[in-house]
Amino acid sequence: AQSVAQPEDQVNVAEGNPLTVKCTYSVSGNPYLFWYVQYPNRGLQFLLKYITGDNLVKGSYGFEAEFNKSQTSFHLKKPSALVSDSALYFCAVRGSGGSYIPTFGRGTSLIVHP
Amino acid sequence: DTGVSQDPRHKITKRGQNVTFRCDPISEHNRLYWYRQTLGQGPEFLTYFQNEAQLEKSRLLSDRFSAERPKGSFSTLEIQRTEQGDSAMYLCASSRRPQGASTDTQYFGPGTRLTVL
Repeated sequence: AQSVAQPEDQVNVAEGNPLTVKCTYSVSGNPYLFWYVQYPNRGLQFLLKYITGDNLVKGSYGFEAEFNKSQTSFHLKKPSALVSDSALYFCAVRGSGGSYIPTFGRGTSLIVHP
Repeated sequence: DTGVSQDPRHKITKRGQNVTFRCDPISEHNRLYWYRQTLGQGPEFLTYFQNEAQLEKSRLLSDRFSAERPKGSFSTLEIQRTEQGDSAMYLCASSRRPQGASTDTQYFGPGTRLTVL
């Protein structure tokens, strides 16, 4: 079975400060990891993914994520937050074998204060 | 716009009525997924098509739910005899695994918000 934990329901950060949204996972085999963002009443938008290779993955809108195999984590980061980054962020995982279906976390609400 | 589209965006119905939602995937994508999302939760998988074949169904998908993807293009999700517990956002996603790639990336539509009164 595969699972994702996003331990923080909400993250608050001041505009211009660095942000981190945490994600840990459990999966059989090698993990494929994804981050999505969701704005109110909208579908999910793909930000970035980790398949293999470099542990630091760069994605859309200045976001990046760091894969840490020993800690089974895939935290989302951005060096300087914008108010427009305020949204729901979802981490997802699937294993390299078996089903194509990813499991999503419950989401973390990011609030960036002016 | 060449993204995933869903219709309608909002649906209000009375308990016991049937509803049908449509999803049009990105044109070259052969995989199509349906998810359900409730407040405070991430998307929960319902079912998955590769071309016209329905390859996986979640145990969440009761016998009141049926999905089709005729000709491997658009898909419909029907809910019969709706219940208040069916109120949720229904999301569609599509993907295509590029040749030589390890996995695909799902791209989501805007969703259909269902309210059952």
